[in-house]
Amino acid sequence: QKEVEQNSGPLSVPEGAIASLNCTYSDRGSQSFFWYRQYSGKSPELIMSIYSNGDKEDGRFTAQLNKASQYVSLLIRDSQPSDSATYLCAVNIEGNNRLAFGKGNQVVVIP
Amino acid sequence: EAGVAQSPRYKIIEKRQSVAFWCNPISGHATLYWYQQILGQGPKLLIQFQNNGVVDDSQLPKDRFSAERLKGVDSTLKIQPAKLEDSAVYLCASSFTSHHEQYFGPGTRLTVT
Repeated sequence: QKEVEQNSGPLSVPEGAIASLNCTYSDRGSQSFFWYRQYSGKSPELIMSIYSNGDKEDGRFTAQLNKASQYVSLLIRDSQPSDSATYLCAVNIEGNNRLAFGKGNQVVVIP
Repeated sequence: EAGVAQSPRYKIIEKRQSVAFWCNPISGHATLYWYQQILGQGPKLLIQFQNNGVVDDSQLPKDRFSAERLKGVDSTLKIQPAKLEDSAVYLCASSFTSHHEQYFGPGTRLTVT
């Protein structure tokens, strides 16, 4: 079982719609969860961090965490063409305090 | 506040040659990370430093890769000799401590021919 899984293929959403991204993780002891945005040819940029169960909102982004289900999600409201990027889910592996990344989900916002 | 600096941005070498990458973390960040990112995959941790000590190098191919952070600030990652499969983007990241958010530098794109 992979430490962090992001299984969805490329996601195409019309401008103004909600983009929903999902991530599952295997380490039950994980306490810190992050979403990074990576534009093509650029390095990952931190956009959200979440540590407690529930929702955390920051502008048009909402991160949702359910530790019991080992599930993290990211919602992008009012999607803009500038949101077109790959979104990486990252989970802190408590045993060795290492950040494990999923392979990422590509989002394409269609004007 | 200046971000994580890396150089060079691009490097093309032939297999069996050696190459070195440099990283300067955000000022005051004690923890420094080197990642390898192959196209279509997420970053994979190669080595993690806390100040000038190695915390985790379990995924570093030690027969060809080495890294150091002698004064607890900037760091170098070396590959010798390079293989074709080392073609990737090498990312440096830093955080205030290992329990804080990580911030990435621009990366070095390595092509091994």
